[in-house]
Amino acid sequence: AQKVTQAQTEISVVEKEDVTLDCVYETRDTTYYLFWYKQPPSGELVFLIRRNSFDEQNEISGRYSWNFQKSTSSFNFTITASQVVDSAVYFCALSGDYKLSFGAGTTVTVRA
Amino acid sequence: DGGITQSPKYLFRKEGQNVTLSCEQNLNHDAMYWYRQDPGQGLRLIYYSQIVNDFQKGDIAEGYSVSREKKESFPLTVTSAQKNPTAFYLCSSGEDAGSNYGYTFGSGTRLTVV
Repeated sequence: AQKVTQAQTEISVVEKEDVTLDCVYETRDTTYYLFWYKQPPSGELVFLIRRNSFDEQNEISGRYSWNFQKSTSSFNFTITASQVVDSAVYFCALSGDYKLSFGAGTTVTVRA
Repeated sequence: DGGITQSPKYLFRKEGQNVTLSCEQNLNHDAMYWYRQDPGQGLRLIYYSQIVNDFQKGDIAEGYSVSREKKESFPLTVTSAQKNPTAFYLCSSGEDAGSNYGYTFGSGTRLTVV
């Protein structure tokens, strides 16, 4: 069975602070994909990044960066120099069994 | 523009009533999914369909039904058997079953029992 754990329920920061979101997953598959999605107040899920289990290279894209460590089954996400527009719910997800399994989400609030 | 259209955006249901949520995609995706979102619980899979005229139960299928008569459409019916239907419902599609190329989501339908 697939399982995704996002231990942080809510994070509140002041603008320009960095924010790191934790994600730990469980799977028996040897090949799988991990995702991060952002859900703004409008409700729609916005795709941020996908990583396959064979690619542990960490990535930076603008103010976003990702740290994938297969040895610890973690796929953490960092927002550098946060902005008010980053306020949203962030979901980590794991592919497998022809579906996505989601974590419970982390609500990020960035205060001006 | 390609995407997923969910309607209505808000829906109110009376006790004992069946309601149908619409989901249409023009992405030519084979796989479609319905998720339910409750506060603090993330997204839970209700039903999914890998191909036309075929669908499977997800983790919380009781009280729901679906059909997949056309590739672009995957409507969800919330029946009177669903005792706690108030939630946010999201429809999603992927290029194929087990799509690892990403999934596209609609903007959701918020269902409230009155």
